[in-house]
Amino acid sequence: DTAVSQTPKYLVTQMGNDKSIKCEQNLGHDTMYWYKQDSKKFLKIMFSYNNKELIINETVPNRFSPKSPDKAHLNLHINSLELGDSAVYFCASSQASRPDTQYFGPGTRLTVL
Amino acid sequence: RKEVEQDPGPFNVPEGATVAFNCTYSNSASQSFFWYRQDCRKEPKLLMSVYSSGNEDGRFTAQLNRASQYISLLIRDSKLSDSATYLCVVNNGNDMRFGAGTRLTVKP
Repeated sequence: DTAVSQTPKYLVTQMGNDKSIKCEQNLGHDTMYWYKQDSKKFLKIMFSYNNKELIINETVPNRFSPKSPDKAHLNLHINSLELGDSAVYFCASSQASRPDTQYFGPGTRLTVL
Repeated sequence: RKEVEQDPGPFNVPEGATVAFNCTYSNSASQSFFWYRQDCRKEPKLLMSVYSSGNEDGRFTAQLNRASQYISLLIRDSKLSDSATYLCVVNNGNDMRFGAGTRLTVKP
Protein backbone atom coordinates (compact mmCIF):
# COMPACT_ATOMS: atom_id res chain seq x y z
CA ASP A 1 0.00 0.00 0.00
CA THR A 2 2.98 2.31 0.43
CA ALA A 3 2.71 5.07 -2.14
CA VAL A 4 6.36 6.14 -2.24
CA SER A 5 8.93 3.80 -0.78
CA GLN A 6 12.66 4.14 -0.28
CA THR A 7 15.37 1.69 0.63
CA PRO A 8 17.34 1.57 2.77
CA LYS A 9 15.82 3.55 5.62
CA TYR A 10 19.22 3.97 7.28
CA LEU A 11 22.63 3.90 5.65
CA VAL A 12 25.91 4.18 7.53
CA THR A 13 29.07 4.08 5.48
CA GLN A 14 32.68 5.22 5.32
CA MET A 15 34.01 8.21 3.43
CA GLY A 16 35.01 7.38 -0.11
CA ASN A 17 32.47 4.61 -0.58
CA ASP A 18 29.87 4.49 -3.35
CA LYS A 19 26.26 3.87 -2.37
CA SER A 20 22.79 3.85 -3.92
CA ILE A 21 19.38 4.70 -2.55
CA LYS A 22 16.32 3.27 -4.27
CA CYS A 23 12.92 4.86 -4.68
CA GLU A 24 9.70 3.45 -6.06
CA GLN A 25 6.23 4.94 -6.38
CA ASN A 26 3.00 3.11 -7.15
CA LEU A 27 0.87 6.21 -7.67
CA GLY A 28 1.18 6.25 -11.44
CA HIS A 29 2.95 9.60 -11.25
CA ASP A 30 5.19 10.68 -14.10
CA THR A 31 7.58 12.94 -12.19
CA MET A 32 9.90 11.95 -9.38
CA TYR A 33 12.25 13.99 -7.23
CA TRP A 34 15.15 13.71 -4.85
CA TYR A 35 15.51 16.12 -1.94
CA LYS A 36 18.23 16.51 0.67
CA GLN A 37 17.38 17.61 4.21
CA ASP A 38 20.46 18.64 6.14
CA SER A 39 21.04 19.02 9.85
CA LYS A 40 19.51 22.50 9.76
CA LYS A 41 16.33 20.94 8.39
CA PHE A 42 16.37 22.77 5.08
CA LEU A 43 14.77 20.61 2.42
CA LYS A 44 16.47 21.29 -0.91
CA ILE A 45 15.61 19.80 -4.24
CA MET A 46 18.39 17.94 -5.97
CA PHE A 47 16.82 16.41 -9.05
CA SER A 48 13.55 15.73 -10.74
CA TYR A 49 12.78 13.30 -13.54
CA ASN A 50 9.87 13.50 -15.93
CA ASN A 51 9.39 10.66 -18.39
CA LYS A 52 13.00 9.62 -17.91
CA GLU A 53 14.36 13.07 -18.60
CA LEU A 54 16.13 15.20 -16.06
CA ILE A 55 14.31 18.49 -15.86
CA ILE A 56 15.86 20.02 -12.78
CA ASN A 57 19.42 19.65 -11.68
CA GLU A 58 20.34 21.96 -8.85
CA THR A 59 24.00 22.68 -8.25
CA VAL A 60 24.78 19.36 -6.69
CA PRO A 61 28.15 17.70 -7.09
CA ASN A 62 28.42 15.35 -10.03
CA ARG A 63 29.18 12.60 -7.53
CA PHE A 64 25.40 12.40 -7.28
CA SER A 65 23.68 10.77 -10.22
CA PRO A 66 19.98 9.98 -10.49
CA LYS A 67 19.01 6.90 -12.47
CA SER A 68 15.50 6.14 -13.62
CA PRO A 69 15.02 2.66 -15.09
CA ASP A 70 11.31 3.35 -15.57
CA LYS A 71 8.60 5.83 -14.65
CA ALA A 72 8.00 4.23 -11.25
CA HIS A 73 11.61 4.29 -10.07
CA LEU A 74 14.21 6.97 -9.45
CA ASN A 75 17.38 5.79 -7.77
CA LEU A 76 20.13 7.99 -6.41
CA HIS A 77 23.72 6.89 -6.76
CA ILE A 78 26.44 8.65 -4.82
CA ASN A 79 30.13 8.21 -5.58
CA SER A 80 33.05 8.95 -3.26
CA LEU A 81 30.92 9.81 -0.26
CA GLU A 82 32.01 12.77 1.88
CA LEU A 83 31.22 13.72 5.46
CA GLY A 84 29.05 16.59 4.23
CA ASP A 85 26.79 14.16 2.40
CA SER A 86 25.35 13.06 5.74
CA ALA A 87 21.70 14.03 5.65
CA VAL A 88 18.23 12.64 5.15
CA TYR A 89 17.38 12.06 1.50
CA PHE A 90 13.73 12.11 0.51
CA CYS A 91 12.26 10.84 -2.69
CA ALA A 92 8.95 12.33 -3.88
CA SER A 93 6.61 12.01 -6.83
CA SER A 94 3.85 13.97 -8.54
CA GLN A 95 1.91 14.25 -11.75
CA ALA A 96 3.73 16.48 -14.22
CA SER A 97 0.58 18.59 -14.45
CA ARG A 98 0.52 19.02 -10.64
CA PRO A 99 4.14 19.48 -9.56
CA ASP A 100 2.97 21.34 -6.51
CA THR A 101 1.27 18.29 -5.03
CA GLN A 102 4.10 15.97 -4.13
CA TYR A 103 4.06 12.77 -2.12
CA PHE A 104 7.18 12.00 -0.17
CA GLY A 105 8.85 8.74 0.70
CA PRO A 106 9.84 8.01 4.31
CA GLY A 107 13.40 9.20 3.82
CA THR A 108 16.82 7.59 3.95
CA ARG A 109 19.09 8.72 6.76
CA LEU A 110 22.64 8.66 5.42
CA THR A 111 25.54 8.91 7.83
CA VAL A 112 29.05 9.13 6.43
CA LEU A 113 31.82 8.35 8.92
CA ARG B 1 18.34 36.35 1.76
CA LYS B 2 16.75 32.90 1.85
CA GLU B 3 14.00 32.28 -0.69
CA VAL B 4 11.57 31.16 1.98
CA GLU B 5 11.99 32.35 5.55
CA GLN B 6 10.22 31.16 8.64
CA ASP B 7 10.57 31.75 12.35
CA PRO B 8 12.18 28.47 13.47
CA GLY B 9 10.51 28.54 16.87
CA PRO B 10 10.13 26.42 18.84
CA PHE B 11 6.62 27.41 19.78
CA ASN B 12 5.56 25.74 23.01
CA VAL B 13 1.85 26.17 23.66
CA PRO B 14 -0.74 24.56 25.94
CA GLU B 15 -3.55 22.45 24.55
CA GLY B 16 -6.41 24.59 23.36
CA ALA B 17 -4.23 27.57 22.50
CA THR B 18 -4.29 29.43 19.21
CA VAL B 19 -0.94 29.73 17.48
CA ALA B 20 0.11 31.51 14.30
CA PHE B 21 3.11 30.93 12.05
CA ASN B 22 4.47 33.36 9.52
CA CYS B 23 6.48 32.93 6.37
CA THR B 24 7.94 35.32 3.82
CA TYR B 25 9.19 34.54 0.33
CA SER B 26 11.52 36.47 -1.92
CA ASN B 27 10.41 35.54 -5.44
CA SER B 28 7.50 37.76 -6.45
CA ALA B 29 6.80 35.50 -9.43
CA SER B 30 6.00 32.53 -7.18
CA GLN B 31 2.88 30.82 -8.33
CA SER B 32 1.46 28.68 -5.57
CA PHE B 33 1.88 28.26 -1.87
CA PHE B 34 1.48 25.48 0.66
CA TRP B 35 1.93 24.42 4.22
CA TYR B 36 3.44 21.01 4.81
CA ARG B 37 3.69 19.22 8.12
CA GLN B 38 6.70 17.12 9.11
CA ASP B 39 6.68 14.93 12.18
CA CYS B 40 9.97 14.07 13.86
CA ARG B 41 11.98 11.69 11.67
CA LYS B 42 9.16 11.42 9.16
CA GLU B 43 8.54 12.70 5.67
CA PRO B 44 6.81 16.02 4.90
CA LYS B 45 3.10 15.75 4.16
CA LEU B 46 0.87 18.32 2.54
CA LEU B 47 -1.27 20.06 5.13
CA MET B 48 -3.04 22.59 2.93
CA SER B 49 -2.70 24.88 -0.04
CA VAL B 50 -2.79 28.63 0.50
CA TYR B 51 -5.01 30.86 -1.62
CA SER B 52 -5.11 34.62 -1.95
CA SER B 53 -8.63 34.70 -0.60
CA GLY B 54 -7.57 32.76 2.47
CA ASN B 55 -8.77 29.28 3.18
CA GLU B 56 -9.77 27.20 6.13
CA ASP B 57 -9.65 23.50 6.86
CA GLY B 58 -11.14 22.71 10.21
CA ARG B 59 -8.97 24.29 12.89
CA PHE B 60 -6.41 25.46 10.33
CA THR B 61 -6.56 28.76 8.46
CA ALA B 62 -4.05 29.82 5.83
CA GLN B 63 -3.63 33.31 4.42
CA LEU B 64 -1.59 34.71 1.56
CA ASN B 65 -0.63 38.32 0.99
CA ARG B 66 1.00 38.56 -2.42
CA ALA B 67 1.78 42.25 -2.10
CA SER B 68 3.78 41.65 1.08
CA GLN B 69 4.97 38.21 -0.05
CA TYR B 70 3.76 36.82 3.21
CA ILE B 71 2.01 33.59 4.15
CA SER B 72 0.51 32.62 7.47
CA LEU B 73 -0.95 29.57 9.18
CA LEU B 74 -3.28 29.81 12.15
CA ILE B 75 -4.07 26.80 14.29
CA ARG B 76 -7.00 27.11 16.67
CA ASP B 77 -7.73 24.88 19.65
CA SER B 78 -4.32 23.19 19.48
CA LYS B 79 -4.19 19.45 20.07
CA LEU B 80 -1.27 17.39 21.31
CA SER B 81 -1.24 15.73 17.89
CA ASP B 82 -0.51 19.09 16.24
CA SER B 83 3.05 18.89 17.58
CA ALA B 84 5.25 18.85 14.50
CA THR B 85 7.34 21.08 12.26
CA TYR B 86 5.35 23.19 9.81
CA LEU B 87 7.05 23.90 6.51
CA CYS B 88 6.15 26.85 4.32
CA VAL B 89 6.49 25.88 0.66
CA VAL B 90 6.53 28.07 -2.43
CA ASN B 91 6.21 26.86 -6.01
CA ASN B 92 8.30 28.99 -8.36
CA GLY B 93 6.99 27.28 -11.45
CA ASN B 94 9.98 25.06 -11.89
CA ASP B 95 10.38 23.67 -8.44
CA MET B 96 9.24 23.81 -4.87
CA ARG B 97 11.18 25.85 -2.33
CA PHE B 98 10.86 24.85 1.28
CA GLY B 99 11.34 26.95 4.37
CA ALA B 100 13.34 25.46 7.22
CA GLY B 101 10.15 24.97 9.20
CA THR B 102 8.63 26.19 12.43
CA ARG B 103 8.59 23.71 15.25
CA LEU B 104 5.44 23.48 17.36
CA THR B 105 5.09 21.59 20.63
CA VAL B 106 1.64 21.40 22.19
CA LYS B 107 1.74 20.50 25.87
CA PRO B 108 -1.00 19.09 28.11
